[in-house]
This record gives sequence, structure tokens and C-alpha cells, in this order.
Amino acid sequence: DAKTTQPTSMDCAEGRAANLPCNHSTISGNEYVYWYRQIHSQGPQYIIHGLKNNETNEMASLIITEDRKSSTLILPHATLRDTAVYYCIVKGTYKYIFGTGTRLKVLA
Amino acid sequence: DTEVTQTPKHLVMGMTNKKSLKCEQHMGHRAMYWYKQKAKKPPELMFVYSYEKLSINESVPSRFSPECPNSSLLNLHLHALQPEDSALYLCASSQEGGGVLNTEAFFGQGTRLTVV
Repeated sequence: DAKTTQPTSMDCAEGRAANLPCNHSTISGNEYVYWYRQIHSQGPQYIIHGLKNNETNEMASLIITEDRKSSTLILPHATLRDTAVYYCIVKGTYKYIFGTGTRLKVLA
Repeated sequence: DTEVTQTPKHLVMGMTNKKSLKCEQHMGHRAMYWYKQKAKKPPELMFVYSYEKLSINESVPSRFSPECPNSSLLNLHLHALQPEDSALYLCASSQEGGGVLNTEAFFGQGTRLTVV
């Protein structure tokens, strides 16, 4: 299973963009990158996923480097409700394997 | 309906008890998952069912026994647990299988288990 590495914690000012990096240097060619977040012991919430092209949805954007060894999740206008632990996942067949995650704190 | 429902929300059990955790989804998903999450740690995969058959067991001790009685239900039977098994147990489901490979998993809110 490919391993992911994320910073332990980050702060972001409310209304600013939050950029959360993830390294996944051992990712295989057919493995997707997924992002989830978990707000204070609730169940993880899906945010976005991608293979090699950049992706955008109503919650966030995902930028994957050309060599696919790293990615960045972008929350364009962070709010206090975005305070959570953000997990980067390299997904194998049936396996959503969570990394250690980044604790994002959005500051008023 | 994109909901995965887990019951009970909280459970306290003794080390000699037998209890069960339940998980239900009505999204027509064919893959269902059990995860265990200790405090301040990421969720750890325990079991995966695909089309009601156990397809992945991540070397989980036999005191945890999963069961998938039908495509909408997933149970986790607990017997002779230890205090270190206290954790948040999460259930998830996804459409993966039958040619569908990369799709998001939906998680329930979890059962917080305390073993005394």
C-alpha cells in the first residue's frame, strides 16, 4: 500500500485559501489520490479525488504534480467550519488507507 | 439518501460480554467496510466485504467477527474484548465492484466503544 506524508498541523486565516500538501512518492500508475476530512470524531467526509489531472468541485480543488508524487488540496475561502483533520489517501483496490493527516485550524 | 447509519452510537461492554455493532446503507453499494479509530489516530482498515463476501481481513484478531447478512447490512460481532480495543468503530460503503473502481466511500458517524 502506498504511503502518504502530510504536515501534522497548519493554521489558516478565515477567508484565505488553505493549501494542504501531501507526498505520495510510491504511488502506482493506476492508484487514485483521495482527500477526506474528519471534524471532531465524526465520520470522515469525502472531499475530492483524482488520478493525474487537476480536479475541482464545490468544496475544493486538487492539484496533482505531473510525476504524481505529490498533491495539494486547496480550500479556496476557508471558514471556521473547515477546521478539521484532513487526510490524503492513495487508494488501492477496495483499500482507503488513511495517512496521519493534517490538523487544519482556521483562525477568525 | 447518502447515509450510512451505525447503531448504537455508544457502547460500554465488559471483557466477558458479547455484543454486536450494526451498520446499514440503502445506496445500493456492494462494498462495505469496518474501520477502527483510536483517539488522535487515523482510521485503520479492518475488514472489507464485496458482494456480501469477505474480501479483505487486515489480520484482525478473531475476537472481532464480521458478518454481512445482506447487501444493505453489515455487523461486527464482539467477544472477549480487551480494554485496548476501546475505540471509535466506523462503517463505510462504496459502489466499488463489478467494474466500478474509483468511487468515494461514505462513512457513518461511528460507534464509540468502551471496554471495561
